[in-house]
Amino acid sequence: AQSVTQLDSQVPVFEEAPVELRCNYSSSVSVYLFWYVQYPNQGLQLLLKYLSGSTLVESINGFEAEFNKSQTSFHLRKPSVHISDTAEYFCAVSEGGGGNKLTFGTGTQLKVEL
Amino acid sequence: KAGVTQTPRYLIKTRGQQVTLSCSPISGHRSVSWYQQTPGQGLQFLFEYFSETQRNKGNFPGRFSGRQFSNSRSEMNVSTLELGDSALYLCASSLDEGQAYEQYFGPGTRLTVT
Repeated sequence: AQSVTQLDSQVPVFEEAPVELRCNYSSSVSVYLFWYVQYPNQGLQLLLKYLSGSTLVESINGFEAEFNKSQTSFHLRKPSVHISDTAEYFCAVSEGGGGNKLTFGTGTQLKVEL
Repeated sequence: KAGVTQTPRYLIKTRGQQVTLSCSPISGHRSVSWYQQTPGQGLQFLFEYFSETQRNKGNFPGRFSGRQFSNSRSEMNVSTLELGDSALYLCASSLDEGQAYEQYFGPGTRLTVT
């Protein structure tokens, strides 16, 4: 069975500072990896995904994540955060060919301070 | 295109009652998945429907059921409500063709059981 571990439940950071949100997964088969963001009282928004190909994936708002198969990690990074990035971030995995069942991590609350 | 819509947005029910939640996927999407989000258990997969058939199922009791209609709209039903069923129920739709495995989430239905 697949599982996802987000090592940090909360990450405080000052505006314009870099940030890394950590995600590790375990699975016995090939996987697809995702990062979702959730703002208060809203649903989940897809931030970026790794399906295959280049191990470095980027979003339109400056986030990037790198798939590392040997370390079974998919950490999320941003070189300079903005106050509007304050939200909860979820890492998720689905097994290749397994339909659309997502297994989520417990989430990381990113709080950007002035 | 309109996004995933869920109705109702908020619901208050009493223990022992049953409830039906509705989800309309993005136009053209054939896969609909349901997730339960609680502070204690996080995001958990309930089930997925594709072309009116249940394709995947999570580890929830039989009180939780769902169905999908020919227009891809989906409903989930919870019978004999318990206090622990209080949660945000999220619906997600996916195109599910080729490599389009990303899921798009609705705003959720907040269910409170008293």
